[in-house]
Amino acid sequence: GENVEQHPSTLSVQEGDSAVIKCTYSDSASNYFPWYKQELGKRPQLIIDIRSNVGEKKDQRIAVTLNKTAKHFSLHITETQPEDSAVYFCAASPSGTGRRALTFGSGTRLQVQP
Amino acid sequence: DTAVSQTPKYLVTQMGNDKSIKCEQNLGHDTMYWYKQDSKKFLKIMFSYNNKELIINETVPNRFSPKSPDKAHLNLHINSLELGDSAVYFCASSHTGGNQPQHFGDGTRLSIL
Repeated sequence: GENVEQHPSTLSVQEGDSAVIKCTYSDSASNYFPWYKQELGKRPQLIIDIRSNVGEKKDQRIAVTLNKTAKHFSLHITETQPEDSAVYFCAASPSGTGRRALTFGSGTRLQVQP
Repeated sequence: DTAVSQTPKYLVTQMGNDKSIKCEQNLGHDTMYWYKQDSKKFLKIMFSYNNKELIINETVPNRFSPKSPDKAHLNLHINSLELGDSAVYFCASSHTGGNQPQHFGDGTRLSIL
């Protein structure tokens, strides 16, 4: 089955700096890679996703890159703000019928210092 | 107008009891999921249903029995609760087909005394 590894487990940055979180996956059949943000006591919320037919996607201060050959993908947050503080999860999923559940990474606790 | 709603939000009960968690989505999705998030925040798939049919069962003890009366509902019944069942359980839903975003409910925090 799929295995997703995520680094770092904690990340502390100063407000205004950039933050980068990296994930690797094992199953070459995976072709959908979402990122979720989870604030304390809240549900995971989808912030951006990327499909295997593109290498990069951007949405305002958030961008995701994907390298299918190396089986890794990364989340980039620029101009970080205190409200970006949360736990971020990467995930991977294969397409097609049958198995569609997400396999999650272990999470990165991001703390943005004002 | 909550998209994926779970009840109850909190569930505190004794070891050995049987309990149920309900989930409903109003997004028109036909695939629903149950995930478990443990104390270390690991999120792991338990079950997935597509159009009321079970398609994933991730080696979950058979004390856990999901039931999907229709494609908008996926309930989770747990028999003979154990201490290790303490966790947050999240319901999620998506459209069928690969590469579809999954939307999560607010979670049910289950605490076993």
